[in-house]
Amino acid sequence: DAKTTQPPSMDCAEGRAANLPCNHSTISGNEYVYWYRQIHSQGPQYIIHGLKNNETNEMASLIITEDRKSSTLILPHATLRDTAVYYCIVVIAGKLIFGQGTTLQVKP
Amino acid sequence: DTEVTQTPKHLVMGMTNKKSLKCEQHMGHRAMYWYKQKAKKPPELMFVYSYEKLSINESVPSRFSPECPNSSLLNLHLHALQPEDSALYLCASSRGPGQSSYGYTFGSGTRLTVV
Repeated sequence: DAKTTQPPSMDCAEGRAANLPCNHSTISGNEYVYWYRQIHSQGPQYIIHGLKNNETNEMASLIITEDRKSSTLILPHATLRDTAVYYCIVVIAGKLIFGQGTTLQVKP
Repeated sequence: DTEVTQTPKHLVMGMTNKKSLKCEQHMGHRAMYWYKQKAKKPPELMFVYSYEKLSINESVPSRFSPECPNSSLLNLHLHALQPEDSALYLCASSRGPGQSSYGYTFGSGTRLTVV
């Protein structure tokens, strides 16, 4: 099964861009990469997803390398409310399987 | 309606009790999921329902019994649980099995405590 690897924790200054990396070196050609975040025991919140091309929405940008073995989630202007656990997920056979995630701490 | 609603939000039950968790969505999604999340751990997939039929059981103990009465409703029946089953139980839905391009919506979860 394709798995994801993320750094366990990161810090970011408020107002700066937060760049969260993810490795998914065993991903298959038709498997999507999803990003969710979870704020203190709430339900996971959808951020963005992609297959091959870079994607942008009102929350974030997703940069996927050409070989699809890694991706980066970019929060362009992090705020204190962006402090959360961020999960990079590869969907396999319709199953959303979570990795360990990155705890992002946004600091004033 | 773009939400997945889970009830109750909190539940305390004894080891001999029988209780049920409820999950509801009105987005027309045909795949629904149960996840279990222990403190400081990622959610773990328990069950997947596709078109009201159980399609995946991730080797979950039989004291957890899922049910999908219709396309909008998903239940998780609990019986003879152990204290280590205390966790946040999350429900999710998606447009359909194999349609992973359309996203997955999660509920806010039920915080279960087994005493």
